[in-house]
Amino acid sequence: DSGVTQTPKHLITATGQRVTLRCSPRSGDLSVYWYQQSLDQGLQFLIQYYNGEERAKGNILERFSAQQFPDLHSELNLSSLELGDSALYFCASSVSISGSKNEQFFGPGTRLTVL
Amino acid sequence: AQKITQTQPGMFVQEKEAVTLDCTYDTSDQSYGLFWYKQPSSGEMIFLIYQGSYDEQNATEGRYSLNFQKARKSANLVISASQLGDSAMYFCAMRGPSGTYKYIFGTGTRLKVLA
Repeated sequence: DSGVTQTPKHLITATGQRVTLRCSPRSGDLSVYWYQQSLDQGLQFLIQYYNGEERAKGNILERFSAQQFPDLHSELNLSSLELGDSALYFCASSVSISGSKNEQFFGPGTRLTVL
Repeated sequence: AQKITQTQPGMFVQEKEAVTLDCTYDTSDQSYGLFWYKQPSSGEMIFLIYQGSYDEQNATEGRYSLNFQKARKSANLVISASQLGDSAMYFCAMRGPSGTYKYIFGTGTRLKVLA
C-alpha cells in the first residue's frame, strides 16, 4: 500500500458526460501528479500540482482540468467524454524537496470506461 | 526534448536467473533522475529504484540494480535471482531538473519468469 488513495476504483459512463476523479496523497506529500495509461499511448503525464499550484503540464486535453485543494487532495475533471478517454488514470504523490530523489508513489488508479 | 526508449516489448527469464531490461534516454539537461517502476497484473505502479545523474555509484535495492552508463545514456535494470513474482510490466522513467518535475515514461517491457 503506497499511502495514496484514489476514488472511485471503477467508473463507467457514456460519451459526452463529465466525471471527477479524486486523489488523496500520502501524508506529508505536497506534490500530486496525474497520469493516463491507455493501451495505445502508454503512461502519459497529464499535470502536476505542488501545494495547491499548478507546477507542470503534460499532454492534458483542454476538456480535462485538475486542481489541488488546501487539504492537498486533488481532483481531475474530465468532460465531454469520448470513447478514446477510456483508460486507467493514476494519481501519484511525492514530497518534492529540491535535490532529493523525489520518487513518486502511485495510487491504485481509477479505471474509466466510456461507452 | 526528453525521451525514454525501451526496446524490449517482452522478455522471458528462467526462475533464479538474472535478467537485464534495457532503457536508453535522451536529454540535454545535466541534472536529471532516472527511475524504474514495476506494474504487476493487478495494475498498481511500484517504485523500484532511482539513479540521479550526478550519482557516481550504480544504485542498488535488494535484488534490483541499475547499470547506469551516462556517456551512453543508458539506465538498464538488472534483476538478480528472478522469482515468479517478478513477472510484470517494467517501466523506465525520467525526471527533469529540479524545479520542473516533469516525468516521462518509456513504453515498458513485459517480463515473464518461467518456472
